[in-house]
Amino acid sequence: DAGVIQSPRHEVTEMGQEVTLRCKPISGHNSLFWYRQTMMRGLELLIYFNNNVPIDDSGMPEDRFSAKMPNASFSTLKIQPSEPRDSAVYFCASSFWAEKLFFGSGTQLSVL
Amino acid sequence: DQQVKQNSPSLSVQEGRISILNCDYTNSMFDYFLWYKKYPAEGPTFLISISSIKDKNEDGRFTVFLNKSAKHLSLHIVPSQPGDSAVYFCAARVSGGGADGLTFGKGTHLIIQP
Repeated sequence: DAGVIQSPRHEVTEMGQEVTLRCKPISGHNSLFWYRQTMMRGLELLIYFNNNVPIDDSGMPEDRFSAKMPNASFSTLKIQPSEPRDSAVYFCASSFWAEKLFFGSGTQLSVL
Repeated sequence: DQQVKQNSPSLSVQEGRISILNCDYTNSMFDYFLWYKKYPAEGPTFLISISSIKDKNEDGRFTVFLNKSAKHLSLHIVPSQPGDSAVYFCAARVSGGGADGLTFGKGTHLIIQP
């Protein structure tokens, strides 16, 4: 099993640019989660999907953030426009019926 | 408001000794607790869990203890090995909440010294 695959591993962009993070969950998993890790706030849940449907996006910090899951094997997290305070590590995780989470390796985002 | 608190950002332990990582929680509805381990440039991986009906769960060198009255849990690693050097996250949820209800602490960076 390839595990949860995220791309890119690193993203450096300038303030105001659009950023798109990608995630491929583990095949057969029906829940997908986007987390953000910062030193100040630790691991924060941004949004999660069950069976491709967004269930709770209350953790999304602002309207600049959006997430989609067009099918069971792909999800994106988009930030438009990006700001320096968005710099963090973004993790995608998947699970089967919202049990134990399996995390991807994360995307290190730096907004200059 | 941090519902799950790991008050030690880092901990240094000598190889072969016991490592004790602590976690406190404030939400009395939490009844399932997990520990995740994270190496640099990797995502967190599940390590061990405990339900509130137990006060101890053991898996090899790893043991988690739960004190419900104190709203405190701890992870013991005996003996500590260099490969245990990582960031450890405590997480908690309400039964039936599934992974969507997982609340994480900020993590403790464990350093095992040779």
